[in-house]
Amino acid sequence: QVQLVVSGGGVVQPGRSLRLSCAASGFTFSSHAMHWVRQAPGKGLEWVSVISYDGNNKYHADSVKGRFTISRDNSKDTLYLQMNSLRTEDTAIYYCAKARSGHYSNAFDYWGQGTLVTVSS
Amino acid sequence: EIVLTQSPGTLSLSPGERATLSCRASQSVSSSYLAWYQQRPGQAPRLLIYGASSRATGIPDRFSGSGSGTDFTLTISGLEPEDFAVFYCQQYGVSYTFGQGTKLEIK
Repeated sequence: QVQLVVSGGGVVQPGRSLRLSCAASGFTFSSHAMHWVRQAPGKGLEWVSVISYDGNNKYHADSVKGRFTISRDNSKDTLYLQMNSLRTEDTAIYYCAKARSGHYSNAFDYWGQGTLVTVSS
Repeated sequence: EIVLTQSPGTLSLSPGERATLSCRASQSVSSSYLAWYQQRPGQAPRLLIYGASSRATGIPDRFSGSGSGTDFTLTISGLEPEDFAVFYCQQYGVSYTFGQGTKLEIK
């Protein structure tokens, strides 16, 4: 069965960096676009980043552009989110999510359990 | 950016009743690239509906989606206790945006 295991969250000071990982199994990772989505405490869902199946194309939300970078290692079936220059407003649960296909315009059919990132001094 | 507005904010119903949730887009959603997700407390979202009306794998047929253009609806016929949760609509035709959510609570 499809599994997405997210790790790397924690407490970090403003301006510092953190890298999240999402280990995938149960499907052909290299055939699917992948996403990061976040949810601030008690709030709704916010899309963060997407990466194409082969890693050649990446897009980020305006709120994180220039600070966050999505990447993937298809040899390790793992998705990453490098988060730099973190701000207090980046505090959220971060989920990785699998696209239904390799195409960007598709729903997110499986989600990891999420990891909490807290940005605080 | 396509803004999605969900209504009502909270819906109070009893098990066995029918729930109707609305999602309105600020501009037309191309090719019905509209999905619905359910999120139970402390859990990750779960895909219910994609393409406005197609049920995801393993989703019971009491969940149905309809609509096109700017107006979409999620209907849950015969509410079960496990259905009470927060529901989000999402468009994935032009970047990705989510609605603010509708909380379905037990009356």
